[in-house]
Amino acid sequence: KAGVTQTPRYLIKTRGQQVTLSCSPISGHRSVSWYQQTPGQGLQFLFEYFSETQRNKGNFPGRFSGRQFSNSRSEMNVSTLELGDSALYLCASSSRGVNTEAFFGQGTRLTVV
Amino acid sequence: AQTVTQSQPEMSVQEAETVTLSCTYDTSENNYYLFWYKQPPSRQMILVIRQEAYKQQNATENRFSVNFQKAAKSFSLKISDSQLGDTAMYFCAFMTGPRRANFGNEKLTFGTGTRLTIIP
Repeated sequence: KAGVTQTPRYLIKTRGQQVTLSCSPISGHRSVSWYQQTPGQGLQFLFEYFSETQRNKGNFPGRFSGRQFSNSRSEMNVSTLELGDSALYLCASSSRGVNTEAFFGQGTRLTVV
Repeated sequence: AQTVTQSQPEMSVQEAETVTLSCTYDTSENNYYLFWYKQPPSRQMILVIRQEAYKQQNATENRFSVNFQKAAKSFSLKISDSQLGDTAMYFCAFMTGPRRANFGNEKLTFGTGTRLTIIP
């Protein structure tokens, strides 16, 4: 069974640009959550999607957005990139139901220069 | 709002010894879940162990066990017979209980992590 796949693994962008990160959950999983990990702020919740709908949202500016497709794959987009957006972005997927184990991908390392 | 505190930024222990990582949390919820995640240098977050708050029995997974003290809001992780492969960042995490059935997961709130090094 394939794990959670995040692409790309590494990304370098310039301030002011936008970026799209992709997450393919484990087959059959319908819940996808996104987290930002930085040395200063640690792991922070961005948002969670279930059945193509955003169910939960963290305290991030509107520049951070996401979506989920009918096959449960999810994308997150960051517009007008800032230096502070440099981080490891982790995606986690869970099976149908509530509070089941969250399986994480290896993350996308975003560097904004 | 929930908070999770890990007061040990770094720890090291000799191989085969036992080590305990501390975690405290604050919540007004009565129904919740607690987790320990491991993040090795590969960056992939791996679930080590999970505890449901309504269960009095402490969770155990092979060499990993927890000491869950609900009244004290404490959730420590004990690693027995530590191995070199246990070297990693360990994060304690909290999740509120289900609010709506079949509706996805609530968010995980993480502590700041403990960097554990196993010395050969």
